[in-house]
Amino acid sequence: DSGVTQTPKHLITATGQRVTLRCSPRSGDLSVYWYQQSLDQGLQFLIQYYNGEERAKGNILERFSAQQFPDLHSELNLSSLELGDSALYFCASRPSGLANTGELFFGEGSRLTVL
Amino acid sequence: DQQVKQNSPSLSVQEGRISILNCDYTNSMFDYFLWYKKYPAEGPTFLISISSIKDKNEDGRFTVFLNKSAKHLSLHIVPSQPGDSAVYFCAALKAGANNLFFGTGTRLTVIP
Repeated sequence: DSGVTQTPKHLITATGQRVTLRCSPRSGDLSVYWYQQSLDQGLQFLIQYYNGEERAKGNILERFSAQQFPDLHSELNLSSLELGDSALYFCASRPSGLANTGELFFGEGSRLTVL
Repeated sequence: DQQVKQNSPSLSVQEGRISILNCDYTNSMFDYFLWYKKYPAEGPTFLISISSIKDKNEDGRFTVFLNKSAKHLSLHIVPSQPGDSAVYFCAALKAGANNLFFGTGTRLTVIP
C-alpha cells in the first residue's frame, strides 16, 4: 500500500461525457502528479500540483483540467471524452522536504473506458 | 518524442538466472534514472535509482548500470525469482524539473 488513494478504480462512460478522477496523496506529501498510461504506452506526464498550485504541465489536452484542494487531494477532470481517452490514469505523490530524485509513490490507478 | 526508450517489450528468464533489462535515453540533461516495477492492478513502485554522476548502484539482488556515453542504462536482477515477474519501467528526471519521463516498459516473466 503506497498510501496514495485513487477513486474510482474503474469507470465506463460514453463519448462526449465528462468524468472526474480523484486522488488523495500520502499523508504529509504536498506534491501530486497525474500520469496517463494508454495501451502499450509508457506513463505520460499530464500535470503536477504543489500545495494547491500548478507547478508543471506535460502533454495534457485542453479538454482535461486538474486542481488541488486545500486538503491536498486532487481531481483530474476529463471532458468531451473520446475513445482515445481510454487509459489508466495514475496519481502519484512525492515526499516533501526532500530533494527531487524522482521517487514517487503511485496510487493503483483509475481505469477509464470510453465507449 | 520518446526520450526514454525500452526496446524490448518482454523478457523471459529461468528462475535463478540473471535478468537484464535495458533502457536507452536521448536527453543528456537527465540527472537521475530510476526503475519502477508494476504488478497487475497495482501502481508502479520505485525499485532503484542512480544519479548521473555514478555508473553503478546496487541494492540486494538489483543493480543498475549507467553508461552515459552510450546514453544507456540497464537493470540486472540476480538471481531472478518468480516474484520478480512484473512490468519494469525505466524513468529519467532532468535536473530542476518536476516530471519523470517513462519508457514503455518491459514485461519480465521468471519461469520457475
